[in-house]
Amino acid sequence: AQSVSQHNHHVILSEAASLELGCNYSYGGTVNLFWYVQYPGQHLQLLLKYFSGDPLVKGIKGFEAEFIKSKFSFNLRKPSVQWSDTAEYFCAVLLSGGYNKLIFGAGTRLAVHP
Amino acid sequence: DAGVTQSPTHLIKTRGQQVTLRCSPKSGHDTVSWYQQALGQGPQFIFQYYEEEERQRGNFPDRFSGHQFPNYSSELNVNALLLGDSALYLCASSVGQGSVETQYFGPGTRLLVL
Repeated sequence: AQSVSQHNHHVILSEAASLELGCNYSYGGTVNLFWYVQYPGQHLQLLLKYFSGDPLVKGIKGFEAEFIKSKFSFNLRKPSVQWSDTAEYFCAVLLSGGYNKLIFGAGTRLAVHP
Repeated sequence: DAGVTQSPTHLIKTRGQQVTLRCSPKSGHDTVSWYQQALGQGPQFIFQYYEEEERQRGNFPDRFSGHQFPNYSSELNVNALLLGDSALYLCASSVGQGSVETQYFGPGTRLLVL
């Protein structure tokens, strides 16, 4: 069955540190990839997405992600985090070819300390 | 431009009862997907409605049913509630044409089953 794995469940960083959150998926076909973020008390928001083309995609708030097809990975990065990035981050895969459901990872809870 | 809205925000029920949750999609969207997010986990796909029909279903029992109305709004019904149904129920809307969709999420309904 298709699945999404997020390697770190909890990450604690100081402000200005660099961030990389891992995401791997298991599916051999064409995929569309997403990162969603859930800030405390708010609903899930789209951070960035990859459908095709340049495998390095840029999203809101300085986030970017790189799709590496050979590694089935879509890692999220930010060069310098801020306290306001404290949130839970979810990687998700949308299978193409008639499947219209998002498959989510378990999420990574990020805490950024001032 | 209103985003995805859901009602109610919170709900408390007892085992064996039935519950109905409601969702209004983002303006211009015609497809509604429902997800269940248990505590500490990523959202899990329940089903998706397009043109008033269930188009795709996840691994949930028949106790979970839904409906989509001509105005694209949707309801999620859960019968014979179990303690394990306690979760955040998320609605997401998208545009149904084509197989690649970006889903936008509402704030969710938090259901507690006692």
